[in-house]
Amino acid sequence: GDSVTQMEGPVTLSEEAFLTINCTYTATGYPSLFWYVQYPGEGLQLLLKATKADDKGSNKGFEATYRKETTSFHLEKGSVQVSDSAVYFCALDNYGQNFVFGPGTRLSVLP
Amino acid sequence: GAVVSQHPSRVICKSGTSVKIECRSLDFQATTMFWYRQFPKQSLMLMATSNEGSKATYEQGVEKDKFLINHASLTLSTLTVTSAHPEDSSFYICSAFRRQGAQHEQYFGPGTRLTVT
Repeated sequence: GDSVTQMEGPVTLSEEAFLTINCTYTATGYPSLFWYVQYPGEGLQLLLKATKADDKGSNKGFEATYRKETTSFHLEKGSVQVSDSAVYFCALDNYGQNFVFGPGTRLSVLP
Repeated sequence: GAVVSQHPSRVICKSGTSVKIECRSLDFQATTMFWYRQFPKQSLMLMATSNEGSKATYEQGVEKDKFLINHASLTLSTLTVTSAHPEDSSFYICSAFRRQGAQHEQYFGPGTRLTVT
């Protein structure tokens, strides 16, 4: 079945550091890919998405590019802030069926 | 953007009682809604798919008699945890599926934290 793999966390960075969270997927066909963010005690918020190969999703300084050849959708941000501390979930949606979530990566940004 | 609400946001109940959680799509009709469960520091696990006007489809290992799902209208799905036990304590999140022409997207609710004492 479809699956999503993310890099193990937690990830701890200093403020203004560069962030990369790796995400790879296994799916039949051409799924849509998503990054969601969950702040402590809250629900999921859509961060960005891409619906086809080579699409780049971007929001709030975060970006990720849909790479079909490597089945990847790595999340990047050039300069993280303390307020970016949260859990980040990579997910896929295959033709409107249920989402498949990755295990999540906890990010802690230190001042 | 589309909004999905959940009620209540937090609930504490005693063992053996039942708890109902509501999921509403506020500005669109959703023929399909999904219920997820999230344990602390873990990812979301799909529990069931709720289809308006028909029986829910449960994932393997989810007890349908314990987690009752009703999708009586195009904007409301409910999850009832029956005879709750402490191990049912978790964060429950719903999502609503919206199709617009060839596009589709899922919108997530803010979640309901259930604590069973």
